[in-house]
Amino acid sequence: TQLLEQSPQFLSIQEGENLTVYCNSSSVFSSLQWYRQEPGEGPVLLVTVVTGGEVKKLKRLTFQFGDARKDSSLHITAAQPGDTGLYLCAAPYTGGFKTIFGAGTRLFVKA
Amino acid sequence: EAGVAQSPRYKIIEKRQSVAFWCNPISGHATLYWYQQILGQGPKLLIQFQNNGVVDDSQLPKDRFSAERLKGVDSTLKIQPAKLEDSAVYLCASSSHTDTQYFGPGTRLTVL
Repeated sequence: TQLLEQSPQFLSIQEGENLTVYCNSSSVFSSLQWYRQEPGEGPVLLVTVVTGGEVKKLKRLTFQFGDARKDSSLHITAAQPGDTGLYLCAAPYTGGFKTIFGAGTRLFVKA
Repeated sequence: EAGVAQSPRYKIIEKRQSVAFWCNPISGHATLYWYQQILGQGPKLLIQFQNNGVVDDSQLPKDRFSAERLKGVDSTLKIQPAKLEDSAVYLCASSSHTDTQYFGPGTRLTVL
């Protein structure tokens, strides 16, 4: 059972455009993480959000954790080709030690 | 600081053959993870070690997959015999006392 649903699955945009990708669940999480994975590499952690309603910024990336801690969004302003990659959200599995991942949003930014 | 090392980077085998992957975590990281990432999907945890003990292996297909972490450092993941559906990227990650997992580059396995 996929507990983290990411949308859209695929996004192709022009350099300079803005975009938002989403991570949704029916479960409540104590925290949520966003990773970026480039082709041929492992995922790299971008941010961890912990508090409901929390907003974190990382240069042109803005991450928000839903008030109920069931969903999260990632907004990229003025996307650049270097933003191309697979964006994964992840959260600790309730009651366990393991981390579950969504299927990811594959972003392609054209120059 | 050196990252998580994995080898080989690529492996092509025929079904029913055996294969082994190796992982060297970041020095001092007590927790080591093996994930399977099938094309178009997110990573799925196969097994998690704390030092040389298993914390979670609930999604490891134990009839064909095995993993060990001798001396609490390096780890190997073995598949015997391989099936077509085992084609995937196998990722190793490690972490210290925080939740941050550091991933290696992965091994891309193709089973023909």
